[in-house]
Amino acid sequence: GESVGLHLPTLSVQEGDNSIINCAYSNSASDYFIWYKQESGKGPQFIIDIRSNMDKRQGQRVTVLLNKTVKHLSLQIAATQPGDSAVYFCAGGQGAQKLVFGQGTRLTINP
Amino acid sequence: DAGVIQSPRHEVTEMGQEVTLRCKPISGHNSLFWYRQTMMRGLELLIYFNNNVPIDDSGMPEDRFSAKMPNASFSTLKIQPSEPRDSAVYFCASSRKGSSTGELFFGEGSRLTVL
Repeated sequence: GESVGLHLPTLSVQEGDNSIINCAYSNSASDYFIWYKQESGKGPQFIIDIRSNMDKRQGQRVTVLLNKTVKHLSLQIAATQPGDSAVYFCAGGQGAQKLVFGQGTRLTINP
Repeated sequence: DAGVIQSPRHEVTEMGQEVTLRCKPISGHNSLFWYRQTMMRGLELLIYFNNNVPIDDSGMPEDRFSAKMPNASFSTLKIQPSEPRDSAVYFCASSRKGSSTGELFFGEGSRLTVL
C-alpha cells in the first residue's frame, strides 16, 4: 500500500523568506499528488496538485515539484506571509479518490 | 457558496453511547468522503461514496462504525457503541467525480470526545 511521509514535523521561517516543505511517498504506482493547508480549527484546504506526467506545477506563490525517481515531492512557498502559518499535508495515490495523507508539517512564520 | 456543512461541531459523550455525525456536501458534488484525524494517525480515510453508493469502506475501523448516504445531499457517520479511542476530529469532504482535479472540499469537522 501507499505511505506518505514528511521529512520534518515543524518548520520555522522568517517572514518574507521562501519555505520548502518536503514529502516522500512509497508507492511508485501513485500518479496523483496534492497539497493541503490546514489552519487551526478548520478543515484542510486545497493548495495545488500535480499528476505524475509532470515534474513541476506553479500556482500563486506556490510551486510543487515532483521527482518520481526518488519518490519525492516538495511544496515551495515564495515570500512567506504570516497567513501561511498552518499545517501542510501532502497526499498521494492512484487517482484522486483514495488519497493517503502524510502526517503534516507545521509551518511557523517568524516576524 | 455554502461549503460542506458538518454537525455537530463538537460532541462530548460517554463511553457506550451512540454518536451520529452529519454531513451536507456541496450541491452538485457526487463524491463524499469521511475522514478521521488524530495526532497519532493523522488523516485517515474511513469510507467514500460515489453517487450515494459506498465504494470503499476498508478504512472503517470496526463494526461499531457505519455510514449512510440516503440521498445526494446528506450523509451520516454513526458510532455505536462509542469508545474513548474514537475521540478524534471527523471530517466530511466532497468532490465532483470526473473533474480535472482531485480537490476535496472539506467541512470544518466534528470534534468528538468520548469519556
